[in-house]
Amino acid sequence: EAQLVESGGDLVQPGGSLRLSCTASGFTFGSFAMSWVRQAPRKGLEWVSAISGSGASTYYADSVKGRFTISRDNPKNTVDLQMNSLRADDTAVYYCARDNGGYGSGTYFTWGQGTLVTVSS
Amino acid sequence: QSALTQPPSASGSPGQSVTISCTGTSRDVGGFEYVSWYQQHPGKAPKLMIYEVTKRPSGVPDRFSGSKSGNTASLTVSGLQAEDEADYYCNSFAGSNNFVVFGGGTKVTVL
Repeated sequence: EAQLVESGGDLVQPGGSLRLSCTASGFTFGSFAMSWVRQAPRKGLEWVSAISGSGASTYYADSVKGRFTISRDNPKNTVDLQMNSLRADDTAVYYCARDNGGYGSGTYFTWGQGTLVTVSS
Repeated sequence: QSALTQPPSASGSPGQSVTISCTGTSRDVGGFEYVSWYQQHPGKAPKLMIYEVTKRPSGVPDRFSGSKSGNTASLTVSGLQAEDEADYYCNSFAGSNNFVVFGGGTKVTVL
């Protein structure tokens, strides 16, 4: 059974940095694109970033472009999200999600349980 | 990246049907056959209910169905049950520039 476990969420001050990690199991990790999707308190889902199965292609929402960096380590079955210059509106539960193929299409069969990032002074 | 447009709420009595719309543009919903629908209960991670417009993952009841016409996709839940009360989100692939866009979500209430 495919599983995703996120870690790294924390309370951080505005302007600070945080690195989220997602560890996958139960499937051939390098064969699937991965995404990060976030949900602000009492708000809807927002796609944040994606990376292809090989790691060669990365994509970002306009709201995080230039501040966030997605990366993956296929031998370790992990995908990370480095978040810099954090702002209050980055406060959200961040979900790791597995796409349905190596290039990605926004079809998320598997989700992690989420990790909470709070940006506040 | 503009969100896809969903009605904020929908409701129906047990056994009835409810249909939720998801309106985008030719650059997302209308341009690709990659529309998905997710169900989310409070405090839980989203669950995939429909993918590639009309397909159901294994284990999802056939009471859930999807369709698309032009720039608008729809999710229909037939034979409403109490456990269907949840938030529902659509998303669509939007090409290499915007990649993925979500709808704002629809709260379904079973009366």
